[in-house]
Amino acid sequence: GAVVSQHPSWVICKSGTSVKIECRSLDFQATTMFWYRQFPKQSLMLMATSNEGSKATYEQGVEKDKFLINHASLTLSTLTVTSAHPEDSSFYICSARDLRTSGVETQYFGPGTRLLVL
Amino acid sequence: RKEVEQDPGPFNVPEGATVAFNCTYSNSASQSFFWYRQDCRKEPKLLMSVYSSGNEDGRFTAQLNRASQYISLLIRDSKLSDSATYLCVVKVPRNDKIIFGKGTRLHILP
Repeated sequence: GAVVSQHPSWVICKSGTSVKIECRSLDFQATTMFWYRQFPKQSLMLMATSNEGSKATYEQGVEKDKFLINHASLTLSTLTVTSAHPEDSSFYICSARDLRTSGVETQYFGPGTRLLVL
Repeated sequence: RKEVEQDPGPFNVPEGATVAFNCTYSNSASQSFFWYRQDCRKEPKLLMSVYSSGNEDGRFTAQLNRASQYISLLIRDSKLSDSATYLCVVKVPRNDKIIFGKGTRLHILP
């Protein structure tokens, strides 16, 4: 089946540092990727929709200048948490829609990245 | 009213029992419905889609009630490995957005 990878799987950083997370679709092309955040015992919250070759669409309440998204190719989207603070500590998950199965309502999720900001 | 609501549980169920979860959604124009499973500290994984006529996959049965705007998941002959959080997922017409419920935690007891 389709595979989505994320790197790094976990990161610990000091407050004020910027952290970049990569999301790759390994065996399919994805014009659209999604970035979610999940706090403990909470649901996945969509942060932004990443479209290849264009600007990301951010959900209400998500600061686009803090969470920079770049979708430079059909297989790679990156999320950069700029000047991270402890409240940004969370589980960040990306997902991708397979172009070939655009008629099938399935998103493939990456394994997630755990971010801990000290 | 939240877009997707689930009973957070936890449901503590003995092995071999049958357990059912419900999920309600607020947008009557919602188009697609899914159940995902999420293990602790892992990403969600698609368990099954939910079709209007209801569908079954082994021990799992999903039902959709559009009139009452809820979907259900029934697990028969529960196994220890069924312990997880089950997420109700609804696709809304607005921007083809997918909305996740908070999930229902299930603990299967030996």
